[in-house]
Amino acid sequence: DVKVTQSSRYLVKRTGEKVFLECVQDMDHENMFWYRQDPGLGLRLIYFSYDVKMKEKGDIPEGYSVSREKKERFSLILESASTNQTSMYLCASSFGTGGYGYTFGSGTRLTVV
Amino acid sequence: DAKTTQPPSMDCAEGRAANLPCNHSTISGNEYVYWYRQIHSQGPQYIIHGLKNNETNEMASLIITEDRKSSTLILPHATLRDTAVYYCIVRDTNNAGNMLTFGGGTRLMVKP
Repeated sequence: DVKVTQSSRYLVKRTGEKVFLECVQDMDHENMFWYRQDPGLGLRLIYFSYDVKMKEKGDIPEGYSVSREKKERFSLILESASTNQTSMYLCASSFGTGGYGYTFGSGTRLTVV
Repeated sequence: DAKTTQPPSMDCAEGRAANLPCNHSTISGNEYVYWYRQIHSQGPQYIIHGLKNNETNEMASLIITEDRKSSTLILPHATLRDTAVYYCIVRDTNNAGNMLTFGGGTRLMVKP
């Protein structure tokens, strides 16, 4: 079964810490995405990547960076975690340009204290 | 991409058909309609998509009106496991970045 795997299901970090959220896909997909989901705000796109070492800002990139050194891995980095970054983070991957091939991970629930 | 409007919530009896509407009155000719769902504590899952013809797969049917301004997702025999938030997304497959934009969706509650 094809998979997008997020390294942690739950994380608790302190304000000011550097946080790494890892995402790995085994489908040889070109495109990878990071979303965050908050009650009342839905899913919002943070960053995406359509190729190794390529990245594009989504709707809410402030406070985040990403890294894609290998095709299968897309990392989201919180440079200095803040309490307003407490959220559910979802990684997804897709093949080509169609919207039907998106596969999401199970999510990482990050709490910043 | 065109904006979509969905009712915030719906109920359905187990075993009955669930019909989830979506309004996309500003859809353009090269935009597809996609449906995803998100079961509690999981990531969204692709269900079905279409351009102008009705579509059916093992999960659901998609009915698109002739003028393409609205569509309905049909779960023919809803089960308790179909309780989820259902997202209708209209998207140009040629848009830059290939990303999906999620709205508020419809929270479907399937009841015994």
